[in-house]
Amino acid sequence: QQQVKQSPQSLIVQKGGISIINCAYENTAFDYFPWYQQFPGKGPALLIAIRPDVSEKKEGRFTISFNKSAKQFSLHIMDSQPGDSATYFCAASARGTASKLTFGTGTRLQVTL
Amino acid sequence: KAGVTQTPRYLIKTRGQQVTLSCSPISGHRSVSWYQQTPGQGLQFLFEYFSETQRNKGNFPGRFSGRQFSNSRSEMNVSTLELGDSALYLCASSYGTVLSNEKLFFGSGTQLSVL
Repeated sequence: QQQVKQSPQSLIVQKGGISIINCAYENTAFDYFPWYQQFPGKGPALLIAIRPDVSEKKEGRFTISFNKSAKQFSLHIMDSQPGDSATYFCAASARGTASKLTFGTGTRLQVTL
Repeated sequence: KAGVTQTPRYLIKTRGQQVTLSCSPISGHRSVSWYQQTPGQGLQFLFEYFSETQRNKGNFPGRFSGRQFSNSRSEMNVSTLELGDSALYLCASSYGTVLSNEKLFFGSGTQLSVL
């Protein structure tokens, strides 16, 4: 059972554009929603995260929007740069189980010049 | 501070063999979690060890096991390897609090190929 659905599978954005990746979850016990960035040959690295008590969190060019009633959350990358080209994973965990992340299937982002 | 270190980086085994992977967490971290990453199934949680005890477990067969030592270093073992076990095995460390927003730090993984 896939508990976190992520789309799109791949995304091509021009430099300076906005990249948007969407995720939806089913388990209402989830209360922590991080996004991870993974480059080839490396492990995932935490990019930004949100709790369901806020609807938006912004860190630099990265913003998470969260819709608790719809059980959806999304990552927006503003002013996308070629260095942002990587695979992005949304994830979720339940209270008391921070290490047990349920990941989305990933989005391969390519930022072109 | 050194990051999470996983050894070896690459491993080739044949079906039926067993394999042991190693993970050294960030200094001060007491929790070590293991994940399997494959193109088909994505990232899946295997198990977590905290203070030498398994604290959480994913939905993997008993052929997958692990342990943690008193210095928080962890090993993962897969017995009777199958072709489908070919994957990138990732280790993540954290302080191990029960706070749901605790950050996990991943290593670069061990790429296991089963022939």
